[in-house]
Amino acid sequence: QLQLQESGPGLVKPSETLSLTCTVSGGSISSNSYFWDWIRQHPGKGLEWIGTIYYSGITYYNLSLRSRVTMSVDTSKNQLSLKLTSVTAADTAIYFCARRRLGDLRYFDYWGQGALVTVSS
Amino acid sequence: QTVVTQEPSFSVSPGGTVTLTCGLSSGSVSNRDYPSWYQQTPGQAPRTLIYSTTTRASGVPDRFSGSILGNKAALTITGAQADDESDYYCVLHMDPGISLFGGGTRLTVL
Repeated sequence: QLQLQESGPGLVKPSETLSLTCTVSGGSISSNSYFWDWIRQHPGKGLEWIGTIYYSGITYYNLSLRSRVTMSVDTSKNQLSLKLTSVTAADTAIYFCARRRLGDLRYFDYWGQGALVTVSS
Repeated sequence: QTVVTQEPSFSVSPGGTVTLTCGLSSGSVSNRDYPSWYQQTPGQAPRTLIYSTTTRASGVPDRFSGSILGNKAALTITGAQADDESDYYCVLHMDPGISLFGGGTRLTVL
């Protein structure tokens, strides 16, 4: 059974960089059948797509966050990472990683439990 | 910028039928947009319900069904139960690299 687990600091100061890792177990991040996505949810609000990465390093980002987001993969550790620079209180959210199938079955089939990140001094 | 639209809220009586919809601010939703639906209860990660418009994910009860109705994707719950009270999100994957999320519908069962 595939499992995704987000990890990282739960508290980040304004103007600093938010860094999260998603560790994948029970399956390989190097499969050519999937993208790996980051999605966030502001407190009490809906889901917001941040971006996606393929195991080869190809990325697509939400245009509204593109200037501040960097995603990467470490295939040796079976992990993906998210960095969001110059954070403000508006970046306080639960951050989810998820696996997204490609081809004719485009959907999120596995989700992590989410990591709450609070931006505050 | 394209926006995915969903009803902010809906209510249904226990045992009743409800249809939630997923549209586009400009244009129509079709099977080529690969609409999928997710259920989320407070404090939990989303759960996949429907993908590729009509396919139920593993373990999803058959009271949940997906379709295209007119120019929108739709999620129908037939015989609603109390534990169907959740937030429901539609996602469109019109571009292989991009996912567009709807704002979600809060469903109340009462």
